[in-house]
Amino acid sequence: DAGVIQSPRHEVTEMGQEVTLRCKPISGHNSLFWYRQTMMRGLELLIYFNNNVPIDDSGMPEDRFSAKMPNASFSTLKIQPSEPRDSAVYFCASSGTSWGSQETQYFGPGTRLLVL
Amino acid sequence: GENVEQHPSTLSVQEGDSAVIKCTYSDSASNYFPWYKQELGKRPQLIIDIRSNVGEKKDQRIAVTLNKTAKHFSLHITETQPEDSAVYFCAARAGTALIFGKGTTLSVSS
Repeated sequence: DAGVIQSPRHEVTEMGQEVTLRCKPISGHNSLFWYRQTMMRGLELLIYFNNNVPIDDSGMPEDRFSAKMPNASFSTLKIQPSEPRDSAVYFCASSGTSWGSQETQYFGPGTRLLVL
Repeated sequence: GENVEQHPSTLSVQEGDSAVIKCTYSDSASNYFPWYKQELGKRPQLIIDIRSNVGEKKDQRIAVTLNKTAKHFSLHITETQPEDSAVYFCAARAGTALIFGKGTTLSVSS
């Protein structure tokens, strides 16, 4: 398995532009997580999906952020409009279920976003 | 909700020494405690985990202990090597989501 796949790996954009980050979870995993990592705030959970349904989006910082999971193999995190303070590394992670218990989360390589 | 505190934020040791990183959690319902290692510019990767029905787990030079009563768990690395230098994150899970500590930057000097 290729693991969790994220694209793009790097994104540089100007303030006010729309940014879309993409994630393909590990095949067979039914939970998907979006995290944001900065030096100041560490690793923050933004939103997570279970069976394509958003379960908890309380970590989404503002209405400028939105996430979707149209099917089991694809999710997007969109920022519109983007601001310089959104600059961070965005990780996607996925996990499966075994014997009714959630298993290990595996992280993708991350998208390094810079908003100028 | 769950809150995870991690200490210390930085740790410097000499090669061959032991390193200990400690975490506390707030939600007594948490039942799964993984530790992740993140090298510079890389993704967090699981190095060891422990479930609430176990008090200690070892994997070669790495061990994790859990005290459910006190709601704290620790990572122990013995015989540290320069390649152990990285940021280490603890996490706790109640339900589906993991809540991470702020991380410990471990530096191992030779």
